[in-house]
Amino acid sequence: GAGVSQTPSNKVTEKGKYVELRCDPISGHTALYWYRQSLGQGPEFLIYFQGTGAADDSGLPNDRFFAVRPEGSVSTLKIQRTERGDSAVYLCASSFGAGLETQYFGPGTRLLVL
Amino acid sequence: GNSVTQMEGPVTLSEEAFLTINCTYTATGYPSLFWYVQYPGEGLQLLLKATKADDKGSNKGFEATYRKETTSFHLEKGSVQVSDSAVYFCALIHGSSNTGKLIFGQGTTLQVKP
Repeated sequence: GAGVSQTPSNKVTEKGKYVELRCDPISGHTALYWYRQSLGQGPEFLIYFQGTGAADDSGLPNDRFFAVRPEGSVSTLKIQRTERGDSAVYLCASSFGAGLETQYFGPGTRLLVL
Repeated sequence: GNSVTQMEGPVTLSEEAFLTINCTYTATGYPSLFWYVQYPGEGLQLLLKATKADDKGSNKGFEATYRKETTSFHLEKGSVQVSDSAVYFCALIHGSSNTGKLIFGQGTTLQVKP
């Protein structure tokens, strides 16, 4: 079956612009996660959704970052007033449930802020 | 806080050599421990896991044992293949977490030469 997909695969933007990154989870997966991976580092947790609600957003670095999952399926990560330090690979993962259920990762969106 | 530390890479081995990638963790309570692998051009995928002390996770010839006394979860394989070349990430989920928030190490690159 189809895995987790993310669009776009690459995004180049200018400092100060707004960007949206999309994640399509595996069908039927209620849990959805966003992580950010900087060059040479492991992924860092940003936010977790259970269904439509953000159950844990403790990893969002500041209020320029926001994510939604209005129908409990597709999620969008939104970054306002982008900064060069936002450049990273943004990963999405989904799982059948939360806790120790296996998370399935998408290929990521590589964001470059010039 | 909770954290994971992995040995520095890259690790370069000849085919059929023995592999060890060290991983130690800091966490309160009893975390669950994971190894994820990222093959070139692919997304992160779960390799193996262990959820309690002395458990051994295994998959594709890889093994790791949850050692609470040394707070370690070292990854081993008896005979590596060129196809094992990838980036390996050690990770934990905190014992009291019901969200599945993964905390990753920085990753170790393995290159296997024929």
